[in-house]
Amino acid sequence: AQSVTQLGSHVSVSEGALVLLRCNYSSSVPPYLFWYVQYPNQGLQLLLKYTTGATLVKGINGFEAEFKKSETSFHLTKPSAHMSDAAEYFCAVRARGGNTGKLIFGQGTTLQVKP
Amino acid sequence: DTAVSQTPKYLVTQMGNDKSIKCEQNLGHDTMYWYKQDSKKFLKIMFSYNNKELIINETVPNRFSPKSPDKAHLNLHINSLELGDSAVYFCASSQRLAPIENEQFFGPGTRLTVL
Repeated sequence: AQSVTQLGSHVSVSEGALVLLRCNYSSSVPPYLFWYVQYPNQGLQLLLKYTTGATLVKGINGFEAEFKKSETSFHLTKPSAHMSDAAEYFCAVRARGGNTGKLIFGQGTTLQVKP
Repeated sequence: DTAVSQTPKYLVTQMGNDKSIKCEQNLGHDTMYWYKQDSKKFLKIMFSYNNKELIINETVPNRFSPKSPDKAHLNLHINSLELGDSAVYFCASSQRLAPIENEQFFGPGTRLTVL
């Protein structure tokens, strides 16, 4: 069965500092990988996704993530945090093949950005 | 021109009542989903419909009954509400016909509080 683990339920950085949010997955076959962001009292918005091809993927708002098969990881980074990045971040996986589109989410990481 | 809309946004009700949450998407997608986000922000899929056909039915009490009158709508009816049903319910939609996983677009959520 697939699972997703996000290390650190709460990450705090200073404005301008590097953001690193960790995500590891467990799957017999590398799945499709996603990062979603949830701003307060809003729905989820896709930041980026990895399906195939280049393992470093760039998303919106300056975020990027790198798929590392050997480490079963898909960590999210941003070189310089902005106050507006404060939100909840979810890593998710979806099995390749299949026909349900079922997303399995990690438990989320709250990003706090300090001035 | 909201992509995925849900009504109501907030729902406060007493234990034992029956309530419905409505979801509509205007993206032309053929697949819709219901997710539950608990108080710890953990997101878990409940149901999915593709072209009005149920394709995902997770271990959810049968007090929860989804209904899809057409491809653009997926409603969630909950009978005999319990305290543990308090959560934020998100609707999402995607297009499954493409060969590669397409983004799921999420609605703004419905915060259900059972007293």
